[in-house]
Amino acid sequence: EIVMTQSPATLSVSLGERATLSCRASQSVSNNLAWYQQKPGQAPRLLIYGASSRATGVPARFSVSGSGTEFTLTISSLQSEDFAVYHCQQYNNWPLTFGGGTKVEIK
Amino acid sequence: QVQLVQSGAEVKKPGSSVKVSCKASGGTFRSNTISWVRQAPGQGLEWMGRIFPSLAIANYAQNFQGRVTITADTSTNTAYMELSSLKFADTAVYYCATGSSPGFDYWGQGTLVTVSS
Repeated sequence: EIVMTQSPATLSVSLGERATLSCRASQSVSNNLAWYQQKPGQAPRLLIYGASSRATGVPARFSVSGSGTEFTLTISSLQSEDFAVYHCQQYNNWPLTFGGGTKVEIK
Repeated sequence: QVQLVQSGAEVKKPGSSVKVSCKASGGTFRSNTISWVRQAPGQGLEWMGRIFPSLAIANYAQNFQGRVTITADTSTNTAYMELSSLKFADTAVYYCATGSSPGFDYWGQGTLVTVSS
């Protein structure tokens, strides 16, 4: 199975700053990658899938780059509601696999 | 707007089984797969398997093969996940999820399953 590795495990960022989260796949997943946001006590929320498709209602400050094995989620200017855990997930191969998550916390 | 509502929290003994339900509304239950994903305390997400409700065909992750059974009842728009031979390590929140786009657009609220002696 494809192993997804996210870094860093925790990212401390100030309000209004840029956050850059990484996700690496153990083999190529092409552009078949999704990102989710999860807040405490809640289910994950789909943010972005594919090369750059934002899910309904996701603000433009969330963007992704990369393909193959290296991916980046960028939050251009952190808002208070963005502090959460972010998960990446590949859907190129079965079984579907997720990274371990990156927690974005207030600096 | 699809809504997924799961059954309530469960406490089970090691070696027993648990069955969690996921009732869908507001969408076309038959046309999308329903997956089950679990999250152990403080851990990441783990995909367990999925079902095509209209075909009653299920696929499972190797890690759970032989212990998990996913079924669906199209008459009630409800999917079920049964996990047997429970271990302490199966303590987790179990989610059902679905969507029409790649990735999961819609998630249930989660069901906490606690395995305790």
